[in-house]
Amino acid sequence: AQSVTQPDIHITVSEGASLELRCNYSYGATPYLFWYVQSPGQGLQLLLKYFSGDTLVQGIKGFEAEFKRSQSSFNLRKPSVHWSDAAEYFCAVGASGGGADGLTFGKGTHLIIQP
Amino acid sequence: DSGVTQTPKHLITATGQRVTLRCSPRSGDLSVYWYQQSLDQGLQFLIQYYNGEERAKGNILERFSAQQFPDLHSELNLSSLELGDSALYFCASSVLQGGSGELFFGEGSRLTVL
Repeated sequence: AQSVTQPDIHITVSEGASLELRCNYSYGATPYLFWYVQSPGQGLQLLLKYFSGDTLVQGIKGFEAEFKRSQSSFNLRKPSVHWSDAAEYFCAVGASGGGADGLTFGKGTHLIIQP
Repeated sequence: DSGVTQTPKHLITATGQRVTLRCSPRSGDLSVYWYQQSLDQGLQFLIQYYNGEERAKGNILERFSAQQFPDLHSELNLSSLELGDSALYFCASSVLQGGSGELFFGEGSRLTVL
């Protein structure tokens, strides 16, 4: 069974600073990987996804993530954060074999932006 | 707007009661997933339906059940409610049957059991 670990429960970053949120996954084959963002009181919105091909994927709102098979990681990055980026971020893995279990989510990283 | 509609947005009820949460998927999506989000457990997959048929079960309690109707909307039924069932319940839809498709989430139904 697949699993996702987000080692950082909370991260505090100053506005304008760069950001990296860590995600490690466990899956036997090439996974499908996703990053979602959840603003307070809202549902989850897809930021970006990796299925295959270029290991550096671009998403919405200026985010990018890099798939590193050797490290089983899919870290999310942004060069300069804005106060509106404060939210909960979830990494998720899906089964490339088409398993019906939907996505497995990490426990999330709460991003706090300091002025 | 993800195109996934969940009702009600908020629900307060008492222990022992039964509630029904409703989800309308995005137009054209055949798969519906239910997730429970709580502070201690995070996002837990409950159950998935594809075109009216149950396809996968996750950490769903026996007191909970779901179904997907011919018009593809889905309902999650929670019975004999306990305090610990208080959580945010999300519905998500996908065009694909399996785990390779991105999920589109509704805004959730917040259940409070008193």
